[in-house]
Amino acid sequence: QVQLVQSGAEVKKPGASVTISCTASGFTFANYNYHWLRRAPGQGLEWLGLIDPGRGDTTYAQRFQGRVTMTRDPATATLYITVHSLRSNDTATFYCARTDDYFGVDGLDVWGQGTTVIVS
Amino acid sequence: QSVLTQPPSVSGTPGQRVTISCSGTSSNIGGNPVNWYQQFPGAAPRLLIHRDSRRPSGVPDRFSGSRSGTSASLAISGLHSDDESQIYCGTWDDGLNALVFGGGTELTVL
Repeated sequence: QVQLVQSGAEVKKPGASVTISCTASGFTFANYNYHWLRRAPGQGLEWLGLIDPGRGDTTYAQRFQGRVTMTRDPATATLYITVHSLRSNDTATFYCARTDDYFGVDGLDVWGQGTTVIVS
Repeated sequence: QSVLTQPPSVSGTPGQRVTISCSGTSSNIGGNPVNWYQQFPGAAPRLLIHRDSRRPSGVPDRFSGSRSGTSASLAISGLHSDDESQIYCGTWDDGLNALVFGGGTELTVL
C-alpha cells in the first residue's frame, strides 16, 4: 500500500548529528515532492524544508538553513534528513510527508509514522 | 510564535457543530489555499481538508472548509467523541518562502 516508513527512534547527545530515513513504497517516488516537519513536546507542527527527488533541489526553512541537510536516493526511494549540532530543544518527533506539488499547496497527503529524536 | 493564528482550544457536545478559525496575512492565506490536518495522540497528522474546501477520500462530509481574504475556517458538524484531536491549518507563505502552520487547536468533545 501507499506508505512512507521512517527509521527508528534516536537518542543523541547535544552537539551530535542525527540522520533519519524515510522510504517510500506503493507509488512512484519520482512523481511527488517531499517535506520534513517536526513536532516538539507541547508544541505545534514546524516545517523544516522540502526536497524535489528528481534533481535533489531543496528549500529549507530559514531558521534551519545550514543546520539541516536533506538528500534522497532514487534507487531505493529513500529520503534522508540530517540535523547537525543538536540541542536539547531539538527533541521532537520528525515526520516526512509527500505532496504532488512543490510547495505543498495541495496538502501533504501521505505521512511517515514519525521518528522520535531525544537530545539529552 | 506561529505564523498563522488558531484558537488554542475549541469544545462542543456530541452532535453539535463547531468551527475553528485560522488567521493569516496577504503573504500566506491571502494568496494561497489552506490545508487542514488532524492529529491524534501518538499518531502522524492526516490531511483533513485540502485546497480550502476539498475532502480527501475517506474524510466524512461532516468536515468542511472555507477561505475568505486572509482567514480560513474549518467546520465540523455532528461532533463525535472520537473527533477529539489536535487540528492544524497550514499554507505556503510567499514572503517567508516556507510552509507555515497555526499553533494548533485542541478539539474537545464534552
